[in-house]
Amino acid sequence: SQQGEEDPQALSIQEGENATMNCSYKTSINNLQWYRQNSGRGLVHLILIRSNEREKHSGRLRVTLDTSKKSSSLLITASRAADTASYFCATDRSVGNSGYALNFGKGTSLLVTP
Amino acid sequence: EAEVAQSPRYKITEKSQAVAFWCDPISGHATLYWYRQILGQGPELLVQFQDESVVDDSQLPKDRFSAERLKGVDSTLKIQPAELGDSAMYLCASSWTSGGLSSYNEQFFGPGTRLTVL
Repeated sequence: SQQGEEDPQALSIQEGENATMNCSYKTSINNLQWYRQNSGRGLVHLILIRSNEREKHSGRLRVTLDTSKKSSSLLITASRAADTASYFCATDRSVGNSGYALNFGKGTSLLVTP
Repeated sequence: EAEVAQSPRYKITEKSQAVAFWCDPISGHATLYWYRQILGQGPELLVQFQDESVVDDSQLPKDRFSAERLKGVDSTLKIQPAELGDSAMYLCASSWTSGGLSSYNEQFFGPGTRLTVL
């Protein structure tokens, strides 16, 4: 079952603009991750934020986490055409005796035009 | 850079036929995952292995799907018989380990196998 819900479903911007994507989830988490997927390819991990963190940066990426609202946002600054992809948030859930799995949202499709 | 390998990349089959997908995780990764991704959706976990043992297969349609990781390294996912609704991307991923603090571990994905059932 998919716990995360990204918003918006699709986003179209021009190069140089900032792109913001939001993710909401339902149950408590240990961490939240963001992944990128280029068309027809596998997913690539972008950033992980722990439940006790509020903000994290990685290059042009900025992720925030508000556990009280059960929401996260991904900001891509100074976007490039190469940022065109689908972006997914993923929350952890326990499986088995000591394992963890990820629940992915439906994703935000980002189009960056030159 | 080490990558997760999957084959085939594309598979077209007729319904009621059997299909098999193969995955070779990054060397040293104890945990292996099979996901199914329907077009326009996020990946959904089918089965998770820790070494050769199944950790979670609660979402695997066991009447037609099977998965194995006999030596705790590479893995095979099989569908028999295939149905029209099985058309999707099948993704394999691996991570260092699944226990304890490894909920903080990122997953590394292969390129996927695009299955089309006619």
